[in-house]
Amino acid sequence: EAGVAQSPRYKIIEKRQSVAFWCNPISGHATLYWYQQILGQGPKLLIQFQNNGVVDDSQLPKDRFSAERLKGVDSTLKIQPAKLEDSAVYLCASSLATGGHNEQFFGPGTRLTVL
Amino acid sequence: GENVEQHPSTLSVQEGDSAVIKCTYSDSASNYFPWYKQELGKRPQLIIDIRSNVGEKKDQRIAVTLNKTAKHFSLHITETQPEDSAVYFCAAASYGKLTFGQGTILTVHP
Repeated sequence: EAGVAQSPRYKIIEKRQSVAFWCNPISGHATLYWYQQILGQGPKLLIQFQNNGVVDDSQLPKDRFSAERLKGVDSTLKIQPAKLEDSAVYLCASSLATGGHNEQFFGPGTRLTVL
Repeated sequence: GENVEQHPSTLSVQEGDSAVIKCTYSDSASNYFPWYKQELGKRPQLIIDIRSNVGEKKDQRIAVTLNKTAKHFSLHITETQPEDSAVYFCAAASYGKLTFGQGTILTVHP
């Protein structure tokens, strides 16, 4: 089966610019996650969707980050405006359903560098 | 919220030796504990997981143990091989939300 797809794979922007990332989960997976992985750290959950509804966005910096999952399939994560500390790999993951017992499958990530 | 501590941050072993990575968690509601392996520049991949109603699980050279009372769990890799070299992350799930540890860089020397 096809895995989680993400684009772009790499992005370099100046601080205060905007950027958007795209994720296409595994077909049939109801739950979609966006994680931020800063170099040398574990992934940190930013937002979790169940179909097209938000389940958890408690760690999303809402003053600059936004995400949507229209039609409950693809998702986009946007940063506006970007700060230097946003430099990280942004990982998208999906699972069959919400719940701690469902394996999360990760995409290849988007490496963001903010200059 | 959940807090997961992982030790050691780096681990160097000789090929054929065993490697042990330990994690502690804070939220007693956590009920699922996966371990992910991440090679340089690659995506995290699940290698083994354990649910809170199980104390130990084994899959070939990899085993995980869970002590719910003490809120800690461990990954054991036996007969290590150079291809086991990677960053390993533990995680704990509470109400469906995964919290990851800081990672352990495992290096297996031939």
